[in-house]
Amino acid sequence: RKEVEQDPGPFNVPEGATVAFNCTYSNSASQSFFWYRQDCRKEPKLLMSVYSSGNEDGRFTAQLNRASQYISLLIRDSKLSDSATYLCVVNGYGGSQGNLIFGKGTKLSVKP
Amino acid sequence: NAGVTQTPKFQVLKTGQSMTLQCAQDMNHEYMSWYRQDPGMGLRLIHYSVGAGITDQGEVPNGYNVSRSTTEDFPLRLLSAAPSQTSVYFCASSYGGLDNEQFFGPGTRLTVL
Repeated sequence: RKEVEQDPGPFNVPEGATVAFNCTYSNSASQSFFWYRQDCRKEPKLLMSVYSSGNEDGRFTAQLNRASQYISLLIRDSKLSDSATYLCVVNGYGGSQGNLIFGKGTKLSVKP
Repeated sequence: NAGVTQTPKFQVLKTGQSMTLQCAQDMNHEYMSWYRQDPGMGLRLIHYSVGAGITDQGEVPNGYNVSRSTTEDFPLRLLSAAPSQTSVYFCASSYGGLDNEQFFGPGTRLTVL
């Protein structure tokens, strides 16, 4: 059983490129969705939450499609500093009890 | 604020040894949790706590114990270390639980020989 699936990559893109990651989840009851960023040998850090209406934070746009049970992250005008692993995270059962389900991550490498 | 702190950063154990991984947070968060991260796998929840005196099991609790005597501290005990417990361990805390941002500590890299 795999509850959150991501393409592991790596995605190798030049600076300035636009890159998109997708993530699918299996539990239709899930209520909360997130993208975390993890630099090499560091802890994960929240990049952005994902809302039903979609949301944008600067160069980053997150979308949620509940009908198809997938989440996307779009990065525009990629910077070298965007190189990291991006983790798709889903609150598997809803509410505060239970389990955050982490995807394995998608590795992004932005080249000069 | 120091945020979430973990000690030690690195640890090598022999099979059968026991040890405690320390985790502390100074943000007055009620919710704290422990994860392990293995190569090629997502983070997996070991144990969590929704407040002082309350703990519960996550996805992979076997071989680990936790306690939560204060809001600030959430230690993870390995009872009898096994090579399968070689991993990177992250402690996290949040205000209000799983629907809010999880703040992670820097991690403890554990090797069991």
